[in-house]
Amino acid sequence: DTAVSQTPKYLVTQMGNDKSIKCEQNLGHDTMYWYKQDSKKFLKIMFSYNNKELIINETVPNRFSPKSPDKAHLNLHINSLELGDSAVYFCASSQGLAGIQETQYFGPGTRLLVL
Amino acid sequence: GEDVEQSLFLSVREGDSSVINCTYTDSSSTYLYWYKQEPGAGLQLLTYIFSNMDMKQDQRLTVLLNKKDKHLSLRIADTQTGDSAIYFCAEPSRGSQGNLIFGKGTKLSVKP
Repeated sequence: DTAVSQTPKYLVTQMGNDKSIKCEQNLGHDTMYWYKQDSKKFLKIMFSYNNKELIINETVPNRFSPKSPDKAHLNLHINSLELGDSAVYFCASSQGLAGIQETQYFGPGTRLLVL
Repeated sequence: GEDVEQSLFLSVREGDSSVINCTYTDSSSTYLYWYKQEPGAGLQLLTYIFSNMDMKQDQRLTVLLNKKDKHLSLRIADTQTGDSAIYFCAEPSRGSQGNLIFGKGTKLSVKP
């Protein structure tokens, strides 16, 4: 069974569209994350979500909004897509926030291409 | 500010040892991590070291930690072509509990 899964794996869309990426973890973890990896493979945290507390990286545009229907899911919704949003988006989860519980487990990534 | 630094590229021949280096900023970090990203795949936790350790060995992997210099290294013995990947060093964020600060990643290329 896949521990952290994401759908879709690939997403190609037009500029201006709204899209969502789904993430699910079956590890029973309390915290979930979204990362963006750019074309140079640099990885940046976008959001972390723990017990309904959302921590946002202040550099993330408000076109991006995470939505968590339950503890096992953290979906990423993107409004008015721009060319610069093209990247690989990774979901991750961790058991907690302290000590070894902060070890994060990553999903396979969603490759977004905005045309 | 928080920053994790790594060199971006490393090229070795199959069978040689690879050493990937990392410097970090937060001396209070409890754990430090190495993640591996194979082409087209997500990040996988490779190994981690607790801050009260100087060294951790796991089969072909050796992690060395120099807390005084805030330097972490990953040594891969007998490097294989399957080890070709990007290796990310990470430390916990001091400012945001639970978040990890990742380095830019070192791309390891293994030549036959």
